[in-house]
Amino acid sequence: AQSVTQLDSQVPVFEEAPVELRCNYSSSVSVYLFWYVQYPNQGLQLLLKYLSGSTLVKGINGFEAEFNKSQTSFHLRKPSVHISDTAEYFCAVSGFSGGYNKLIFGAGTRLAVHP
Amino acid sequence: EPEVTQTPSHQVTQMGQEVILRCVPISNHLYFYWYRQILGQKVEFLVSFYNNEISEKSEIFDDQFSVERPDGSNFTLKIRSTKLEDSAMYFCASRMQGVNTEAFFGQGTRLTVV
Repeated sequence: AQSVTQLDSQVPVFEEAPVELRCNYSSSVSVYLFWYVQYPNQGLQLLLKYLSGSTLVKGINGFEAEFNKSQTSFHLRKPSVHISDTAEYFCAVSGFSGGYNKLIFGAGTRLAVHP
Repeated sequence: EPEVTQTPSHQVTQMGQEVILRCVPISNHLYFYWYRQILGQKVEFLVSFYNNEISEKSEIFDDQFSVERPDGSNFTLKIRSTKLEDSAMYFCASRMQGVNTEAFFGQGTRLTVV
């Protein structure tokens, strides 16, 4: 079974400051890892994904994440946030389960960017 | 860019009524999913569908729920007798063939049971 823990339910940050949203996972099999963003009253948009290869993955809107297998982490970072980054961020894990690859989501982290 | 579309965007229904939530997945996708998100909570897996049958379902997906792909384009979630606790945002997602492919989500249907 897989699970995802997002350690911070809310992260307040000032505009242009760096931010890190933490995500840890557990799984007994190899995993694929994802970060999704949900803007208010909208659906889920993929920010970035780790499937294999380089452990540092870059996504949209200047976000990046680093897969750390030994620490079972996949933290999301952005060097300088903007007001428009205010949203809910979900970390998700997917393992190979006969090809069906359901996503298991964390509880989410609400990023609030203040001027 | 192709996208997953869901209708309606918002549905209000009385407790005990049947509702059907509709989704049009991306045309060349083969795996289909329903997730739900109760207000303020995490996104939860409900069911996956492949080759015209359910491939996996969660504990949430009890006998009150069913899914169907009635034609080549639509993918529906039916709740037979809605309960207050079914109030949530329901997301449809689809994915191409292959283990390394990502799921694309629709904008969701907000279901309110009164």
